[in-house]
Amino acid sequence: GAGVSQSPSNKVTEKGKDVELRCDPISGHTALYWYRQRLGQGLEFLIYFQGNSAPDKSGLPSDRFSAERTGESVSTLTIQRTQQEDSAVYLCASSLVAGLTGNTIYFGEGSWLTVV
Amino acid sequence: KNEVEQSPQNLTAQEGEFITINCSYSVGISALHWLQQHPGGGIVSLFMLSSGKKKHGRLIATINIQEKHSSLHITASHPRDSAVYICAAHTSGSRLTFGEGTQLTVNP
Repeated sequence: GAGVSQSPSNKVTEKGKDVELRCDPISGHTALYWYRQRLGQGLEFLIYFQGNSAPDKSGLPSDRFSAERTGESVSTLTIQRTQQEDSAVYLCASSLVAGLTGNTIYFGEGSWLTVV
Repeated sequence: KNEVEQSPQNLTAQEGEFITINCSYSVGISALHWLQQHPGGGIVSLFMLSSGKKKHGRLIATINIQEKHSSLHITASHPRDSAVYICAAHTSGSRLTFGEGTQLTVNP
C-alpha cells in the first residue's frame, strides 16, 4: 500500500490474554519503529528494526513485550499476559533507512489496545 | 529534566493569529522532527530539520543547532490547524526522543 498500515485498528482484550499487533511498512523501507502512547501521555519509543534485526530493544517495557520482523517487511508486536497498564495506542512508523539525516518517517494510524 | 522539552503545553489562538511553538533539547541530535497528531491519533510528519529553516505552505520550522532550539511557526492560523504538535529528536542510533507535545486550539 501507499502508507504504513497497522492492524487491528482497535482491540479490546481481557487482562492476562496475549495480543499481536501487526505493522505493514511502506514497501522498500528498511527501518521500522514501534512507539506507544498512553492516554494523555507522550510518545514512548519501544523498538526499531533495521532490516530484520532490532539493534535497539531498550524501550520495551518488560519481557512480556516482544517484536519480530520478517522479510524486511511485516512486523509483529506481541504482548503476553496483558495488563491494564498496557492500554495505549501502539504506533508503527517506517523510513527508507534508519538514522540518517534527510530521512522522513511515516507513521501508521495506530492500533488502539484496551485491556479490561 | 526531559531531554526534549516543548512550550507551551497548551495554546489557544484566534483564527488568523501567528503561532509559535518552541522545542529545546539537551542532547546531541542528528535531526529534529516536527510531527502533527490529529484528534483521532494519526501522526503526520511535518518537517525534518538538521539545520536552518524549512517552509511548507503556512508552516515554517527553524532550528539553531548551537542553541539546541527549534521553533515551529504557523502563519494565518486556521481552526483546521488544531492538533497536537510534537517535537522529536533523533538522538542515539535511530531512537526518536519525543517532547510532551503542544495542544493547539484555533478558534474561529
